[in-house]
Amino acid sequence: DTVLTQSPALAVSPGEKVTISCRASESVSTLMHWYQQKPGQQPTLLIYLASNLESGVPARFSGSGSGTDFTLTLDPVEADDTATYYCQQSWSDPWTFGGGTKLELK
Amino acid sequence: QVQLKESGPGLVQPSETLSLTCTVSGFSLSSYSVSWVRQPSGKGPEWMGRMWYDGDTAYNSALKSRLSISRDTSKNQVFLKMNSLQTDDTGTYYCTRDRGNNYYFDYWGQGVMVTVSS
Repeated sequence: DTVLTQSPALAVSPGEKVTISCRASESVSTLMHWYQQKPGQQPTLLIYLASNLESGVPARFSGSGSGTDFTLTLDPVEADDTATYYCQQSWSDPWTFGGGTKLELK
Repeated sequence: QVQLKESGPGLVQPSETLSLTCTVSGFSLSSYSVSWVRQPSGKGPEWMGRMWYDGDTAYNSALKSRLSISRDTSKNQVFLKMNSLQTDDTGTYYCTRDRGNNYYFDYWGQGVMVTVSS
């Protein structure tokens, strides 16, 4: 299975720029997607195919990367962005998720 | 408006079978695939399997021997059955709508918490 590795947690101040990384154990081309999960809620799609912003998602969110290294960027961060962010690959079966990065606001 | 809603028992005995239903609205099961994804508390999600729009199924190899997914298009429902449940099957179970053939999940149900305990 393709393993996706994310840093467990980040803490930033509102107004700052933050990058959340996801590293794949093998190349997944650009078949990487990002989700936001707020406490007690289901995940919601933010970015698909590495860099495409889902409809309705603020332009403060952006994604980049290909191969094994991917980044989700929030610029600027707002208080409402407190959540856990997951990457998910769809290059190889079974589709796998990262362990999540918990974003906290200072 | 696309909606998915999971239903089923919140408590299952070890070694028993879990049966969940996903009821969808706002889209056709003949046009979109639906997946089941589960998430242990505090951990990342795990894709379990998919009901393709054409009625075919696909399963995570780690669960394939225990898992069955079916559907009733007339009722807009997708079903999950998983047998031989153990305590590490405890978690929140979601159904999701899959977009296109790139295997990502654009809508999620609210989830149903399942606890495996005697």
